[in-house]
Amino acid sequence: GQQVMQIPQYQHVQEEEDFTTYCNSSTTLSNIQWYKQRPGGHPVFLIQLVKSGEVKKQKRLTFQFGEAKKNSSLHITATQTTDVGTYFCAGPGGGQGGKLIFGQGTELSVKP
Amino acid sequence: DTGVSQDPRHKITKRGQNVTFRCDPISEHNRLYWYRQTLGQGPEFLTYFQNEAQLEKSRLLSDRFSAERPKGSFSTLEIQRTEQGDSAMYLCASSAGQQGIVQYFGPGTRLTVL
Repeated sequence: GQQVMQIPQYQHVQEEEDFTTYCNSSTTLSNIQWYKQRPGGHPVFLIQLVKSGEVKKQKRLTFQFGEAKKNSSLHITATQTTDVGTYFCAGPGGGQGGKLIFGQGTELSVKP
Repeated sequence: DTGVSQDPRHKITKRGQNVTFRCDPISEHNRLYWYRQTLGQGPEFLTYFQNEAQLEKSRLLSDRFSAERPKGSFSTLEIQRTEQGDSAMYLCASSAGQQGIVQYFGPGTRLTVL
């Protein structure tokens, strides 16, 4: 079945260092979404990418959708302690309902 | 607060007992989803409602699991004869309209089966 893989599983960085997480799908995706889950919290939507090669920025966060629409990345510049959490990518799971298939997530910890 | 709400937030039960969770979606959202999340993993899809109709169920959803959304508003997820393997966070999400639309997650119900 369809799989969404994320690497790395964990990333520990010093504050102000950059961070990148990568997402790969076994199938071509019509779109990809990114969510952030703070420790003890629930997934919160960050962004959706739809077009091949699309790049979107949110302040220090840069999201990219691959040309083949099978991979994506999230890059955070100059991490802050407020960036701590687990970042998930998710793609459509097929069917009629819009269910999402999530990656395993990348847990980011930031040392002040 | 007009976000997705879930009740209870935590549930501890003994193996073999039945449990029921409730989800209240964002009021104008016609789509409602249940996911299960275990430690270190992303949410896994369980089932989906459009209005009151349950349109898709994952193979993860054994016969012990049942979900309803009787009036197209709130939803309940019942687990019968709980097993220790059912211990997880059960997340509800809602969305409006077409596929690819953002899903808004509730705070989840953390189930511990002793």
